[in-house]
Amino acid sequence: QKEVEQNSGPLSVPEGAIASLNCTYSDRGSQSFFWYRQYSGKSPELIMSIYSNGDKEDGRFTAQLNKASQYVSLLIRDSQPSDSATYLCAVSTGGFKTIFGAGTRLFVKA
Amino acid sequence: EAGVTQFPSHSVIEKGQTVTLRCDPISGHDNLYWYRRVMGKEIKFLLHFVKESKQDESGMPNNRFLAERTGGTYSTLKVQPAELEDSGVYFCASSQVGGAETQYFGPGTRLLVL
Repeated sequence: QKEVEQNSGPLSVPEGAIASLNCTYSDRGSQSFFWYRQYSGKSPELIMSIYSNGDKEDGRFTAQLNKASQYVSLLIRDSQPSDSATYLCAVSTGGFKTIFGAGTRLFVKA
Repeated sequence: EAGVTQFPSHSVIEKGQTVTLRCDPISGHDNLYWYRRVMGKEIKFLLHFVKESKQDESGMPNNRFLAERTGGTYSTLKVQPAELEDSGVYFCASSQVGGAETQYFGPGTRLLVL
């Protein structure tokens, strides 16, 4: 079992729709959770971090964490073509080592 | 403020040769990380420096890889001798001491070993 699992996609949504990206992790001791966006050929860019159960909203992005289910999600409202990228889920157990998922490719159709 | 920079952006070498990758973190960031992404796989942690000290090198694949951060500023990652399976993108990231978990990534070095 991979430590951080994501559906590789691609996930295709129409412009203006909600994109829902999901991630599960195996280590119950995980404490910090991150979503990175990576455009093709570019470096990962942190877009959201979440540390406690519940929802965290930042603009069009909402991160959701459920530690009991070992589940993290990212919702993108009013999806735009510029949101088309690979979204990486990453998890840290409290130290500085971060474990990444393989990423989900998102396509937003104009 | 300048971001994390990496050099070179691309490197093509033959099996058995040596390559040295360089990373310059954001000024003032004590934490520096090296990661690698091989084709089709997830980004894998290699090691973590705090200033010039190695805090965690559990992700280093083998002793052909040597990372240094003399003076606690820039870091180098040397691969000697390079093997075919070392091909991939090597990312460097840095973070402040206080916000250690907000890591800023560099553009990466794309290494191809032929």
